[in-house]
Amino acid sequence: AQTVTQSQPEMSVQEAETVTLSCTYDTSESDYYLFWYKQPPSRQMILVIRQEAYKQQNATENRFSVNFQKAAKSFSLKISDSQLGDAAMYFCAYRNDGTASKLTFGTGTRLQVTL
Amino acid sequence: DTGVSQDPRHKITKRGQNVTFRCDPISEHNRLYWYRQTLGQGPEFLTYFQNEAQLEKSRLLSDRFSAERPKGSFSTLEIQRTEQGDSAMYLCASSSQGWGTDTQYFGPGTRLTVL
Repeated sequence: AQTVTQSQPEMSVQEAETVTLSCTYDTSESDYYLFWYKQPPSRQMILVIRQEAYKQQNATENRFSVNFQKAAKSFSLKISDSQLGDAAMYFCAYRNDGTASKLTFGTGTRLQVTL
Repeated sequence: DTGVSQDPRHKITKRGQNVTFRCDPISEHNRLYWYRQTLGQGPEFLTYFQNEAQLEKSRLLSDRFSAERPKGSFSTLEIQRTEQGDSAMYLCASSSQGWGTDTQYFGPGTRLTVL
C-alpha cells in the first residue's frame, strides 16, 4: 500500500518570504501522480499543483512550485512571495496511474503567514 | 459550473440515529469519491463510483455505511446506528474520466457530530 508522510505539522513564514513544505511517499509503482491540496480554515480543499511522475520537469503554478525527486520519493512544495491568504493546511496526496484511483493523503502541514 | 456541493454542511445527531448526506458533483463528472477526515488528519478514502457503479470500497466502510449513486449524478452516504467514532468531516469529490491526471475536485464537506 502507498503511504504519504508529511513530517512538518506546522510551519511559519513571514509575508513576502519563501517557504518549503516537505512530503515523502512510498510506492512500488513507476507511474503515478502527486498533488498538493490547500485547505483554508473552514473552507473546502482546493488543488494547488500536480505532478505526473513520468515528467522530469518540476511543475509550477505562479508562486507555487514543486521539487520532485522520483528516486528519493520526495515531493516538496515551495511557496514564493508568501501572502496572508496562503495560510492554510496543506496536504500532499498520491494517486496511482491507470483508471480512476483514490487519493492517499498525508497528515498535513499547517502554514502560518505572519506580517 | 458551480463546483461540488454537499448537504447538509453540519449535522448533529445522537448516538444510534441514522444520518444521510448528499453530494452533487460537478456536472458531467462521471466519477465520485467519498472521503472521511478526522481532526488533525488527512482525508481517508471511503468509496468511489464511476457513473452509478460502486467500484471500490475501503475497509473503513463498515456495514453501517452505505453509499449510492442511483442515476450516476448525485450520491448519498448513509450511516446507520451512528457511533461517537463516526464524528468527522465527510468529503465528496468528483472527477472526469479522460486523458490526464483525473484531478479530483472537492466539496465543502459535511461535518458530523455524534453526541
